[in-house]
Amino acid sequence: NAGVTQTPKFQVLKTGQSMTLQCAQDMNHNSMYWYRQDPGMGLRLIYYSASEGTTDKGEVPNGYNVSRLNKREFSLRLESAAPSQTSVYFCASSGDGGVSNQPQHFGDGTRLSIL
Amino acid sequence: AQSVTQLGSHVSVSEGALVLLRCNYSSSVPPYLFWYVQYPNQGLQLLLKYTTGATLVKGINGFEAEFKKSETSFHLTKPSAHMSDAAEYFCAVTPSGGSYIPTFGRGTSLIVHP
Repeated sequence: NAGVTQTPKFQVLKTGQSMTLQCAQDMNHNSMYWYRQDPGMGLRLIYYSASEGTTDKGEVPNGYNVSRLNKREFSLRLESAAPSQTSVYFCASSGDGGVSNQPQHFGDGTRLSIL
Repeated sequence: AQSVTQLGSHVSVSEGALVLLRCNYSSSVPPYLFWYVQYPNQGLQLLLKYTTGATLVKGINGFEAEFKKSETSFHLTKPSAHMSDAAEYFCAVTPSGGSYIPTFGRGTSLIVHP
């Protein structure tokens, strides 16, 4: 079972370049999330999507945009990359539909470096 | 709003010793509680969760955690550490009946010495 798949796994960008991180899940989950993980900071929520067609800002949305393309796919876009966006990005999904006792399922992350 | 505090960013134990990773939370309503583990270069995986019922919860790889409402704690334990337990551990909380967006602690890195 694939679960949550993120592409690419690694990426190096120059300041000002743009790119899109892809995420797909095959568990028929309603909710999807994007996090960034930085040393000593734990996980910080960037954006989330409760269901197809809806997206909401999380804790650190500035500099990012998202698209919930369909129920399976949730992409994260950096329009003009900055060195402060160097991080490991994780996509997650959960089958809650608004029920808070469901765990999240994570992809293996995208390691992004911006020079 | 809820918050999660994990005491100690690093915990070091010897192989075979007891593992104790601490998690305290604050929540205005009864919480749902989770422990996740992250191995190097991987995403987070669910270890165990408490939703309702028995307060002592058993998870994978011999880990367990006990929900103590009076202490607002959900500490993770394992009787005997193994080298393969070396990883980052995250505690998370969501409020029952409220937002399903979890609040994560900052994580505790478990180091296991031979």
